[in-house]
Amino acid sequence: GQQVMQIPQYQHVQEGEDFTTYCNSSTTLSNIQWYKQRPGGHPVFLIQLVKSGEVKKQKRLTFQFGEAKKNSSLHITATQTTDVGTYFCAVSGGSNYKLTFGKGTLLTVNP
Amino acid sequence: NAGVTQTPKFQVLKTGQSMTLQCAQDMNHNSMYWYRQDPGMGLRLIYYSASEGTTDKGEVPNGYNVSRLNKREFSLRLESAAPSQTSVYFCASQSHTDTQYFGPGTRLTVL
Repeated sequence: GQQVMQIPQYQHVQEGEDFTTYCNSSTTLSNIQWYKQRPGGHPVFLIQLVKSGEVKKQKRLTFQFGEAKKNSSLHITATQTTDVGTYFCAVSGGSNYKLTFGKGTLLTVNP
Repeated sequence: NAGVTQTPKFQVLKTGQSMTLQCAQDMNHNSMYWYRQDPGMGLRLIYYSASEGTTDKGEVPNGYNVSRLNKREFSLRLESAAPSQTSVYFCASQSHTDTQYFGPGTRLTVL
């Protein structure tokens, strides 16, 4: 099945600093999704990228899908304490209805 | 709409006891999933149901059984709980665009 590597595993930043997490695959992906899980909460869908080279923005969050559709990144500009949580990428397995999740990046923000 | 609901929210079991985790969704989704989440391990798929009447094993099915009762409900059963099954369990349903919607989770401790 699909495998995705997500780095880094942990990231601690000062409030106002930028943050980036990366998701990498050895195979070409049909699409990639990003989820956020607040401490003690459940994963919540953020966005889906489908096209090669696609860039989407949600306020301070910028999502990119690589030209070869083998990697993706989530960048947060000027982090805030509300950004704390674990960010997961997830890739679909085509016709087998399953998503494979990366292990996630835990972001902590020092106010 | 309630989205995805799970019961119970918390449970403590003794080794060897059995229990059923309940999940229901009101979004008319065909596919439903059970994951477990352990520190540093991300989300691991236990079982899934691509449609009413079908169930399939995921990455870590041993020690679990599932029932897709109808389109709305998908339950997870632990027949003889073991300490290794201490975890947070999430149920999810999937839309036609492959987006997954998660329930609030069940925090299970097996003593």
